[in-house]
Amino acid sequence: DTGVSQDPRHKITKRGQNVTFRCDPISEHNRLYWYRQTLGQGPEFLTYFQNEAQLEKSRLLSDRFSAERPKGSFSTLEIQRTEQGDSAMYLCASSSPGQGHEKLFFGSGTQLSVL
Amino acid sequence: EDQVTQSPEALRLQEGESSSLNCSYTVSGLRGLFWYRQDPGKGPEFLFTLYSAGEEKEKERLKATLTKKESFLHITAPKPEDSATYLCAVQAYNFNKFYFGSGTKLNVKP
Repeated sequence: DTGVSQDPRHKITKRGQNVTFRCDPISEHNRLYWYRQTLGQGPEFLTYFQNEAQLEKSRLLSDRFSAERPKGSFSTLEIQRTEQGDSAMYLCASSSPGQGHEKLFFGSGTQLSVL
Repeated sequence: EDQVTQSPEALRLQEGESSSLNCSYTVSGLRGLFWYRQDPGKGPEFLFTLYSAGEEKEKERLKATLTKKESFLHITAPKPEDSATYLCAVQAYNFNKFYFGSGTKLNVKP
C-alpha cells in the first residue's frame, strides 16, 4: 500500500491558462474521488468514479472542469481557462467499498494558485 | 439537504486539558460518520468510522461517539502533537459522496 499520490504538489498559473492534475489511487481501490478545499473550509465534493465510469458530478462544477479515469486506474482533473476563484487545494481520494465498509484515503493534494 | 456543522471553529487548550469537539449532521439515512485529522498542507488522515447511534471508537487520546443527530470527538489529556484540524464527514445511503464539515482547528499549547 503506497498510498494515494498526487502530482504536482503545487501549481502556479496565470488566469486563462489550462491546468491538469494527476491522481494515482491505491492500486486495488475501485472508487476515486476529487474534492476541492479552500482555506478554513472542509473538502467540497467535485466528482467521483467507480472504475472508469464517472458516476456523479457536483452541480457546482462548471463546464471548465473535466475529469477522466481511463482504464480505471489513474485519474486526471483538468481546469480550462482558469480563474482566480479556482485557487484552492485539489484533493484526490480513493476507496474500496467492496471490503464491507468504506473510508476515503486522501492524497496530499495539489495546491493551485491562479494569478 | 444533507448538512454537517462542526463546532467550535477553533479551540485552544493547554496540554493535559481535556475537551470535546462537536459534529451535528442532517442526512437522509446515515451510512457512516467519519472523523479525519488534517495537518497544514496535507490531505485528511482517517481516524474513525461510526455507523449507528450508541457506537464508540477509541484511539490513543481520542474517543468518538455517535447519536442520531451528532457526534463528539473527545480528546483526553491532549499533547501539542494533537494540534491539527479535525474534520467530520457523513455518507448517506442514497449517495456515494461524502459531505464534510468545515472542521475544528485545535491548538494544544505546552
